[in-house]
Formats: sequence, structure tokens, C-alpha cells
Amino acid sequence: KNEVEQSPQNLTAQEGEFITINCSYSVGISALHWLQQHPGGGIVSLFMLSSGKKKHGRLIATINIQEKHSSLHITASHPRDSAVYICAVRGCTGTASKLTFGTGTRLQVTL
Amino acid sequence: EAQVTQNPRYLITVTGKKLTVTCSQNMNHEYMSWYRQDPGLGLRQIYYSMNVEVTDKGDVPEGYKVSRKEKRNFPLILESPSPNQTSLYFCASSLVGNPYEQYFGPGTRLTVT
Repeated sequence: KNEVEQSPQNLTAQEGEFITINCSYSVGISALHWLQQHPGGGIVSLFMLSSGKKKHGRLIATINIQEKHSSLHITASHPRDSAVYICAVRGCTGTASKLTFGTGTRLQVTL
Repeated sequence: EAQVTQNPRYLITVTGKKLTVTCSQNMNHEYMSWYRQDPGLGLRQIYYSMNVEVTDKGDVPEGYKVSRKEKRNFPLILESPSPNQTSLYFCASSLVGNPYEQYFGPGTRLTVT
């Protein structure tokens, strides 16, 4: 079993829909990252969370440390949101330099 | 502009021919790391460096070398590339501290025939 599991693997939505991508992890962490990989391959950091909830524009990320689960929500989705969304967790203390990645969720938003 | 640069962006080479992929950042970050991305496996860490002259193995270091002689540069060296090293490679950097955001380079697509 992978340390970081994402669901769904693939997601197709119509413009305007509310989207949720889930990430579950099995190890203790110091932080969780959500990344976006554009169709051209570039990766950008969306959020870094160690507790609670963060919001940036139409994107919302939440984390439940007790349940070892995080969600990324996209409100009013748009075709430009089409990308691969990757969850990554950072270990604690001795492994804090290590990022472990999920395999990503491929999102396609259609008109 | 704050950025991580990688060169080359695309490379096709043959088995056994030594190659170096360069990575440079202009943000004075202590931490730098190399990842490879393969279909179905996601991103996996190859090597990382916490500061100049400090490097350590990640999850998949076999067949790779790195060096960190200067803070801004972290080259990835493949002494004798093999076809199973065909992959998309990313360099990333960040400050040291917790938590800290990683900045990724644009990626290098390597094909070894």
C-alpha cells in the first residue's frame, strides 16, 4: 500500500461544477502539500497545510490530522483548471526533508 | 524573477554515455532536491541537499550522483545512463524550516536508448 493515496485517479467535470479531490496518508507528517502540474509538465505549489483549512481564490484545501486525510476543492470549475493535482506529505523530524507524493488526480474540465 | 532553472529541457542519449542535468536557483534556498516522474509511479525523490556540501539519498538514488559545491547549483549526474532512467526529471528548492514551500524547475525529459 502506498503511503499517499489519492482519489479519484481521473475526474471529468463540466464547467461550473464543484470538484473534490481526496488524499489519504498512512504516516505521521509535519505538513501536506497540494501541487498542480500543467499539461505542459510544469509543477506549481498550490497549498502547504499542517492543520485546518486554507483558501486561495476558487481553491480550498483542508486537512484532518486525526483522520490522516486532506481534500482539495475547486469551486466554479473552469477549463483552465484542467491539470494533474498532486498531494505530497512531508515527514516528521528526521524525515522532514523528504516529500512523498501521491500518483496524482487528472482533472479535465469541459465546456 | 525567482526561479529554478534546469538544462537541458529535452535530451535523447544512448546507453552508457555520461550526462549531466544542471539545476540552478536564484532564491538563496538551502534545500535542493531531484525527483523523477514516471507514469503510474508519481514523483520519487532521487537525492536531496540540505546545504552546501551536504547531500543525501532519496528513495531511488541508484545510478545517479549529485554534488552541491555552491548554494545555487545542484547538478544531477548519470555516469552510465540506462534505458530504465528514461523519465521526466524535476529539480526543486526551498528554504529550510517547517513548513516550507518547494519551488520546482520546468523539468527535463530524458530518453535513453
